[in-house]
Amino acid sequence: DAGITQSPRHKVTETGTPVTLRCHQTENHRYMYWYRQDPGHGLRLIHYSYGVKDTDKGEVSDGYSVSRSKTEDFLLTLESATSSQTSVYFCAISESASGAQYFGPGTRLTVL
Amino acid sequence: GQSLEQPSEVTAVEGAIVQINCTYQTSGFYGLSWYQQHDGGAPTFLSYNGLDGLEETGRFSSFLSRSDSYGYLLLQELQMKDSASYFCAASSGGYQKVTFGTGTKLQVIP
Repeated sequence: DAGITQSPRHKVTETGTPVTLRCHQTENHRYMYWYRQDPGHGLRLIHYSYGVKDTDKGEVSDGYSVSRSKTEDFLLTLESATSSQTSVYFCAISESASGAQYFGPGTRLTVL
Repeated sequence: GQSLEQPSEVTAVEGAIVQINCTYQTSGFYGLSWYQQHDGGAPTFLSYNGLDGLEETGRFSSFLSRSDSYGYLLLQELQMKDSASYFCAASSGGYQKVTFGTGTKLQVIP
């Protein structure tokens, strides 16, 4: 299994508070992704990174920002959490942009 | 834009064979991947088809037809542990190269 961890694994927060989720990999893969998964929607891409300090928006990026200052870490920030951001968040890594993606265990976020 | 369609649910009997279809509309298409996800777990990579034809990995096989914009995942000798959701994912041009379908929930019954 690819070495990829996410923290925290569970978080409950209140509307309007900032939240940062961390993804850490030990595989030295170039590409990293943040997805959210909601019933009926499958996996939807929030942001992705194709190198250190190289990031771009996915299909559901509003309300989210990311940073990647090191190869191994990819941070997802909700500047002001809303109830619509209650979801399960998965980080993924891949060696090539079109190849297999390996997923972290996920973070279950609840915004009250 | 990119879109993929797959059935939302499939039920099959233990020991049988099941096929999960996926049709896609993707510009700059490279290939089709399949992922498995058990309830409460993370998606795990199963297979990738970059060329037309059948790829076999143990009990699982995956097929791609570029001319029909169609692929399928074939699961043989079904086991109860195969009960899970299965996602197809299309790779295409640009850095944002993978789009996932909404998943097919497979229930294996005795």
